[in-house]
Amino acid sequence: ETGVTQTPRHLVMGMTNKKSLKCEQHLGHNAMYWYKQSAKKPLELMFVYNFKEQTENNSVPSRFSPECPNSSHLFLHLHTLQPEDSALYLCASSQDRGGSKVLGYTFGSGTRLTVV
Amino acid sequence: AQSVTQLGSHVSVSEGALVLLRCNYSSSVPPYLFWYVQYPNQGLQLLLKYTSAATLVKGINGFEAEFKKSETSFHLTKPSAHMSDAAEYFCAVSAFGQGGSEKLVFGKGTKLTVNP
Repeated sequence: ETGVTQTPRHLVMGMTNKKSLKCEQHLGHNAMYWYKQSAKKPLELMFVYNFKEQTENNSVPSRFSPECPNSSHLFLHLHTLQPEDSALYLCASSQDRGGSKVLGYTFGSGTRLTVV
Repeated sequence: AQSVTQLGSHVSVSEGALVLLRCNYSSSVPPYLFWYVQYPNQGLQLLLKYTSAATLVKGINGFEAEFKKSETSFHLTKPSAHMSDAAEYFCAVSAFGQGGSEKLVFGKGTKLTVNP
């Protein structure tokens, strides 16, 4: 148990479907992140949330829509995805110490997404 | 801007041999540095971190890393490889993002293979 739980672990969806990925952390952290990990590509930071506010969006296409209702939960809503969006989507959390450097992330196990 | 470079996308060693995974960083401020390990279809797990205390950092599973400012390096080592060490390893440096949010910047990863 890493303290960060992602569901579902695996997801297969068609290009016209709408689905959501869920991330939950019970570590008391106040920052949460979505990363995309594709084969043969480095980890790509998608979104950063700090105290429920989105503080970073790395030019992610609008077919990915994040939601952070509170500091413990993070969602990634998916619609009209493309096959190239197939990847492992990782959620992470950390304790933002207000201007001090990150002491490290705790990652979830990821959702393996396949778009058909 | 902060960045890390991992030399060698694949490293292969024999069981019982020394493991050396290389990481060089670039940072305009004193860095915090991290090594993470990822097993297949899993999230990333923190191995060890350097946060400006001792330059030789010991982590889990017998791994350690040495911070060398003069060489801007943070190489990961283990004296004797075990089959269970086969995984992908990521070096990361702390940074500040667009909105002042803290984040980790990851290298491209090094896949370690351990041969019997």
